[in-house]
Amino acid sequence: QVHLVQSGADVKKPGASVKVSCKASGYTFTSYGITWVRQAPGQGPEWMGWINVYNGNTNYAQKFQGRVSMTTDTSTSTAYMELRSLTSDDTALYFCARFVSGFYYYFDFWGQGTLVTVSS
Amino acid sequence: EIVLTQSPGTLSLSTGERATLSCRASQSVRNNYLAWYQQKPGQAPRLVIYGASTRATGIPVRFSGSGSGTDFTLAISRLEPEDFAVYYCQQYDSSPPELTFGGGTKVEMK
Repeated sequence: QVHLVQSGADVKKPGASVKVSCKASGYTFTSYGITWVRQAPGQGPEWMGWINVYNGNTNYAQKFQGRVSMTTDTSTSTAYMELRSLTSDDTALYFCARFVSGFYYYFDFWGQGTLVTVSS
Repeated sequence: EIVLTQSPGTLSLSTGERATLSCRASQSVRNNYLAWYQQKPGQAPRLVIYGASTRATGIPVRFSGSGSGTDFTLAISRLEPEDFAVYYCQQYDSSPPELTFGGGTKVEMK
Protein backbone atom coordinates (compact mmCIF):
# COMPACT_ATOMS: atom_id res chain seq x y z
CA GLN A 1 0.00 0.00 0.00
CA VAL A 2 0.98 3.62 -0.53
CA HIS A 3 2.87 5.30 2.30
CA LEU A 4 4.47 8.70 2.61
CA VAL A 5 6.73 9.04 5.67
CA GLN A 6 8.03 12.48 6.59
CA SER A 7 11.01 13.61 8.64
CA GLY A 8 10.61 14.56 12.27
CA ALA A 9 9.72 17.86 13.93
CA ASP A 10 12.20 20.71 13.68
CA VAL A 11 12.83 23.97 15.50
CA LYS A 12 14.48 26.85 13.65
CA LYS A 13 15.47 30.41 14.43
CA PRO A 14 14.11 33.31 12.38
CA GLY A 15 16.10 33.77 9.18
CA ALA A 16 17.14 30.14 8.99
CA SER A 17 16.10 27.50 6.45
CA VAL A 18 14.35 24.17 6.95
CA LYS A 19 14.37 21.09 4.74
CA VAL A 20 11.63 18.48 5.16
CA SER A 21 11.81 15.04 3.57
CA CYS A 22 9.04 12.72 2.41
CA LYS A 23 9.85 9.10 1.60
CA ALA A 24 7.36 7.33 -0.65
CA SER A 25 6.68 3.62 -0.95
CA GLY A 26 4.08 1.27 -2.40
CA TYR A 27 3.87 2.80 -5.87
CA THR A 28 6.03 3.88 -8.81
CA PHE A 29 7.49 7.15 -7.54
CA THR A 30 7.94 8.72 -10.96
CA SER A 31 4.31 8.13 -12.00
CA TYR A 32 2.82 10.80 -9.72
CA GLY A 33 3.65 14.29 -8.58
CA ILE A 34 4.33 15.32 -5.01
CA THR A 35 2.74 18.38 -3.51
CA TRP A 36 3.43 20.26 -0.27
CA VAL A 37 0.72 21.77 1.89
CA ARG A 38 1.11 23.51 5.22
CA GLN A 39 -1.31 24.19 8.01
CA ALA A 40 -0.74 26.82 10.66
CA PRO A 41 -2.19 26.16 14.12
CA GLY A 42 -6.00 26.39 13.97
CA GLN A 43 -5.99 27.31 10.28
CA GLY A 44 -6.97 25.59 7.06
CA PRO A 45 -4.54 23.98 4.63
CA GLU A 46 -2.39 26.19 2.41
CA TRP A 47 -0.96 24.87 -0.85
CA MET A 48 2.75 25.62 -1.33
CA GLY A 49 3.50 24.01 -4.67
CA TRP A 50 4.18 20.73 -6.43
CA ILE A 51 6.85 18.89 -8.30
CA ASN A 52 6.52 16.63 -11.32
CA VAL A 53 8.66 13.73 -10.15
CA TYR A 54 9.12 12.37 -13.67
CA ASN A 55 10.81 15.46 -15.12
CA GLY A 56 11.56 17.61 -12.06
CA ASN A 57 9.36 20.51 -13.18
CA THR A 58 8.00 22.57 -10.31
CA ASN A 59 5.09 24.93 -9.80
CA TYR A 60 5.16 27.09 -6.69
CA ALA A 61 2.36 29.14 -5.19
CA GLN A 62 3.01 32.82 -5.79
CA LYS A 63 3.27 33.46 -2.07
CA PHE A 64 6.30 31.19 -1.74
CA GLN A 65 8.13 31.87 -5.01
CA GLY A 66 11.76 32.75 -4.38
CA ARG A 67 11.70 31.24 -0.91
CA VAL A 68 10.83 27.57 -1.50
CA SER A 69 12.53 24.76 -3.40
CA MET A 70 11.05 21.33 -4.08
CA THR A 71 13.27 18.50 -5.25
CA THR A 72 13.24 14.72 -5.46
CA ASP A 73 15.74 11.87 -5.32
CA THR A 74 14.30 9.13 -7.49
CA SER A 75 16.95 6.65 -6.36
CA THR A 76 15.46 6.69 -2.85
CA SER A 77 11.87 7.70 -3.74
CA THR A 78 12.22 10.74 -1.52
CA ALA A 79 10.88 14.26 -2.01
CA TYR A 80 12.25 17.33 -0.29
CA MET A 81 10.88 20.77 0.48
CA GLU A 82 13.21 23.56 1.59
CA LEU A 83 11.85 26.85 2.90
CA ARG A 84 14.26 29.75 3.43
CA SER A 85 14.23 33.02 5.39
CA LEU A 86 11.90 31.64 8.03
CA THR A 87 9.74 33.87 10.21
CA SER A 88 7.37 33.04 13.04
CA ASP A 89 4.55 33.02 10.45
CA ASP A 90 6.10 29.86 9.00
CA THR A 91 5.38 27.90 12.18
CA ALA A 92 3.07 25.18 10.89
CA LEU A 93 2.51 21.50 10.20
CA TYR A 94 3.95 20.69 6.78
CA PHE A 95 2.46 17.84 4.75
CA CYS A 96 3.56 16.12 1.59
CA ALA A 97 0.96 14.35 -0.51
CA ARG A 98 0.81 12.32 -3.69
CA PHE A 99 -0.54 14.48 -6.46
CA VAL A 100 -2.85 13.24 -9.20
CA SER A 101 -2.97 15.60 -12.16
CA GLY A 102 -4.16 15.71 -15.74
CA PHE A 103 -7.89 15.29 -16.09
CA TYR A 104 -8.38 15.55 -12.31
CA TYR A 105 -6.33 17.44 -9.73
CA TYR A 106 -6.30 16.10 -6.18
CA PHE A 107 -4.12 14.67 -3.43
CA ASP A 108 -4.91 11.05 -2.63
CA PHE A 109 -2.28 9.95 -0.08
CA TRP A 110 -0.70 12.13 2.56
CA GLY A 111 2.30 12.02 4.85
CA GLN A 112 1.85 12.25 8.59
CA GLY A 113 3.01 15.86 8.75
CA THR A 114 6.16 17.56 10.06
CA LEU A 115 5.86 20.27 12.68
CA VAL A 116 8.20 23.18 12.00
CA THR A 117 8.49 25.72 14.80
CA VAL A 118 10.21 29.04 14.18
CA SER A 119 11.24 30.71 17.39
CA SER A 120 14.10 32.82 18.65
CA GLU B 1 -6.80 33.70 -7.58
CA ILE B 2 -10.03 31.80 -7.07
CA VAL B 3 -11.33 32.13 -3.52
CA LEU B 4 -13.44 29.34 -2.03
CA THR B 5 -15.96 30.26 0.67
CA GLN B 6 -17.39 27.43 2.73
CA SER B 7 -20.58 27.59 4.75
CA PRO B 8 -21.65 27.19 7.38
CA GLY B 9 -18.53 27.53 9.48
CA THR B 10 -19.88 24.98 11.96
CA LEU B 11 -22.67 22.45 11.60
CA SER B 12 -24.06 20.96 14.83
CA LEU B 13 -25.88 17.71 14.11
CA SER B 14 -26.67 14.36 15.66
CA THR B 15 -25.73 10.89 14.50
CA GLY B 16 -28.16 9.76 11.82
CA GLU B 17 -28.94 13.26 10.57
CA ARG B 18 -28.12 14.59 7.10
CA ALA B 19 -25.27 17.08 6.66
CA THR B 20 -25.13 19.52 3.74
CA LEU B 21 -21.93 21.52 3.28
CA SER B 22 -21.53 24.35 0.77
CA CYS B 23 -18.48 25.55 -1.17
CA ARG B 24 -18.83 28.68 -3.26
CA ALA B 25 -16.12 29.85 -5.67
CA SER B 26 -15.36 33.46 -6.65
CA GLN B 27 -15.04 32.33 -10.30
CA SER B 28 -16.22 29.30 -12.21
CA VAL B 29 -14.36 26.06 -11.42
CA ARG B 30 -14.18 23.12 -13.79
CA ASN B 31 -15.94 20.15 -12.20
CA ASN B 32 -12.99 17.83 -12.56
CA TYR B 33 -10.85 20.31 -10.61
CA LEU B 34 -12.96 20.34 -7.40
CA ALA B 35 -12.20 18.03 -4.46
CA TRP B 36 -13.31 17.59 -0.84
CA TYR B 37 -11.21 16.46 2.13
CA GLN B 38 -12.02 15.34 5.66
CA GLN B 39 -9.63 16.19 8.50
CA LYS B 40 -9.72 15.00 12.09
CA PRO B 41 -7.63 16.56 14.88
CA GLY B 42 -3.97 15.63 14.68
CA GLN B 43 -4.37 13.87 11.34
CA ALA B 44 -3.61 14.64 7.72
CA PRO B 45 -6.51 15.48 5.44
CA ARG B 46 -8.20 12.52 3.77
CA LEU B 47 -9.55 12.68 0.24
CA VAL B 48 -13.33 12.20 0.17
CA ILE B 49 -14.51 13.42 -3.25
CA TYR B 50 -12.69 14.34 -6.46
CA GLY B 51 -14.02 15.59 -9.77
CA ALA B 52 -16.82 17.25 -7.78
CA SER B 53 -18.82 14.01 -7.48
CA THR B 54 -16.58 10.91 -7.53
CA ARG B 55 -16.04 9.18 -4.20
CA ALA B 56 -12.42 8.34 -3.40
CA THR B 57 -11.41 4.76 -2.72
CA GLY B 58 -12.86 3.46 0.53
CA ILE B 59 -15.28 6.36 1.06
CA PRO B 60 -18.76 5.15 2.09
CA VAL B 61 -21.74 5.71 -0.21
CA ARG B 62 -23.35 8.04 2.36
CA PHE B 63 -20.95 10.71 1.08
CA SER B 64 -21.93 12.46 -2.14
CA GLY B 65 -20.69 15.49 -4.03
CA SER B 66 -22.55 17.66 -6.49
CA GLY B 67 -22.57 21.06 -8.12
CA SER B 68 -20.98 22.97 -10.98
CA GLY B 69 -19.65 26.38 -11.90
CA THR B 70 -19.34 28.32 -8.67
CA ASP B 71 -21.55 26.28 -6.32
CA PHE B 72 -20.63 22.88 -4.97
CA THR B 73 -22.08 20.71 -2.21
CA LEU B 74 -20.88 17.83 -0.07
CA ALA B 75 -23.67 15.81 1.51
CA ILE B 76 -23.49 13.10 4.13
CA SER B 77 -26.80 11.26 4.08
CA ARG B 78 -26.77 9.86 7.63
CA LEU B 79 -23.98 10.91 9.94
CA GLU B 80 -21.95 8.20 11.62
CA PRO B 81 -19.80 8.94 14.70
CA GLU B 82 -16.61 8.80 12.60
CA ASP B 83 -17.90 11.54 10.24
CA PHE B 84 -17.56 14.35 12.79
CA ALA B 85 -14.59 16.32 11.48
CA VAL B 86 -13.62 19.39 9.49
CA TYR B 87 -14.25 19.31 5.75
CA TYR B 88 -12.37 21.38 3.18
CA CYS B 89 -13.08 21.96 -0.48
CA GLN B 90 -10.15 22.49 -2.85
CA GLN B 91 -9.90 23.70 -6.43
CA TYR B 92 -7.29 23.86 -9.15
CA ASP B 93 -7.03 26.80 -11.53
CA SER B 94 -4.91 26.32 -14.63
CA SER B 95 -4.25 29.93 -15.56
CA PRO B 96 -1.97 30.57 -13.79
CA PRO B 97 -1.56 27.17 -12.12
CA GLU B 98 -2.77 27.70 -8.58
CA LEU B 99 -4.56 25.56 -6.07
CA THR B 100 -6.64 26.84 -3.15
CA PHE B 101 -8.54 25.43 -0.20
CA GLY B 102 -11.71 26.73 1.37
CA GLY B 103 -11.80 27.82 4.99
CA GLY B 104 -13.48 24.62 6.13
CA THR B 105 -16.75 23.51 7.72
CA LYS B 106 -16.63 21.81 11.10
CA VAL B 107 -19.26 19.11 11.54
CA GLU B 108 -19.67 18.70 15.28
CA MET B 109 -21.84 16.52 17.45
CA LYS B 110 -24.90 18.28 18.80
